[in-house]
Amino acid sequence: DGGITQSPKYLFRKEGQNVTLSCEQNLNHDAMYWYRQDPGQGLRLIYYSQIVNDFQKGDIAEGYSVSREKKESFPLTVTSAQKNPTAFYLCASSTGLHGPNEKLFFGSGTQLSVL
Amino acid sequence: AQSVTQLDSQVPVFEEAPVELRCNYSSSVSVYLFWYVQYPNQGLQLLLKYLSGSTLVKGINGFEAEFNKSQTSFHLRKPSVHISDTAEYFCAVVSGGSNYKLTFGKGTLLTVNP
Repeated sequence: DGGITQSPKYLFRKEGQNVTLSCEQNLNHDAMYWYRQDPGQGLRLIYYSQIVNDFQKGDIAEGYSVSREKKESFPLTVTSAQKNPTAFYLCASSTGLHGPNEKLFFGSGTQLSVL
Repeated sequence: AQSVTQLDSQVPVFEEAPVELRCNYSSSVSVYLFWYVQYPNQGLQLLLKYLSGSTLVKGINGFEAEFNKSQTSFHLRKPSVHISDTAEYFCAVVSGGSNYKLTFGKGTLLTVNP
């Protein structure tokens, strides 16, 4: 089945530690996104990528980094500079970036907590 | 700048009752509107979208929404809900020229009770 796989489902971070969240898609989509979800806050865009080796900051990129070395993979690193990392992280993809006709497909999310 | 306001953070209803989840948007240009649903511990799924044409949009699972330009609203409705409709619902907007920046509302938790 085609889809988006996020791993791990649960992740714990110690103070001063960087952690990486995995996102893989086999939908052959060009565009990929990372969102952060906090209770009662909706979804906020962290980073997005239209094509391989290119990505752009979203609304809350500080303290995060990404890479897009392969079309199917878009890992997110939560760095020690992110002082409030506890949240539910969602990865999404779509066939293209431009145009409202693009439907987003979401992974099942990773819950990150601070120890 | 575009924004979305979901007027109710929680909506409890009884099974088989009708429901309306309210969404208002603001944008200075043309807009495209979406409703997504999130079941517990899962990602989001697209319920329906309005791009142009008929202002009444039908989606999956018996949901529909009406685009009202004069009231800048895009309320989601279902005439009879089921227990399985319990989920969080997100309204989202893309406005023309935003380079496909999808702005989500804060969500409405629909709880259907027996």
